[in-house]
Amino acid sequence: EDQVTQSPEALRLQEGESSSLNCSYTVSGLRGLFWYRQDPGKGPEFLFTLYSAGEEKEKERLKATLTKKESFLHITAPKPEDSATYLCAVLQGAQKLVFGQGTRLTINP
Amino acid sequence: SQTIHQWPATLVQPVGSPLSLECTVEGTSNPNLYWYRQAAGRGLQLLFYSVGIGQISSEVPQNLSASRPQDRQFILSSKKLLLSDSGFYLCAGGLAGVEQYFGPGTRLTVT
Repeated sequence: EDQVTQSPEALRLQEGESSSLNCSYTVSGLRGLFWYRQDPGKGPEFLFTLYSAGEEKEKERLKATLTKKESFLHITAPKPEDSATYLCAVLQGAQKLVFGQGTRLTINP
Repeated sequence: SQTIHQWPATLVQPVGSPLSLECTVEGTSNPNLYWYRQAAGRGLQLLFYSVGIGQISSEVPQNLSASRPQDRQFILSSKKLLLSDSGFYLCAGGLAGVEQYFGPGTRLTVT
């Protein structure tokens, strides 16, 4: 069965303190891995798609990387507005996403 | 990209009452459509998905049903709500094999 595990569950950083969020996955033949950002009380906002090991995508202070077993979301010099829950998901078949539980990130000013 | 519309934003319903949540999509044709439920502080649980008009796949046995009467319309329903149906309901749309885009969600509280 396809599984996605995110760690840590919660992370507190000071503004400017860089760190990484982890997404480990077990899937028979990865067809796509997705990162989303979710603010409280809102729907997830799409960030990145990664399809093959070694692939990297960047957007402002965020950089997503992919290996054969896990993906990392690197946050460089974060700001308070980066505080959110970050969700990782893998594509199951061609139609469905399997989500991890998310990492709740808090950036203190 | 596409835009997903959902309403209402919040809903408080008594136990045993019916439910109808509507989702519409703009910006794409023939999208796959999805209903998810999210418990507080948890990940997303897929409830239903649809690859076309009238085609519904159910992921978990429950008190809910879904329908797709038009290409860009997806409806989540219940005949009689249970306390356990409370949660944050999200509609999403996407083409096969690529990212899904989410609506703003509906916070349902069953009292």
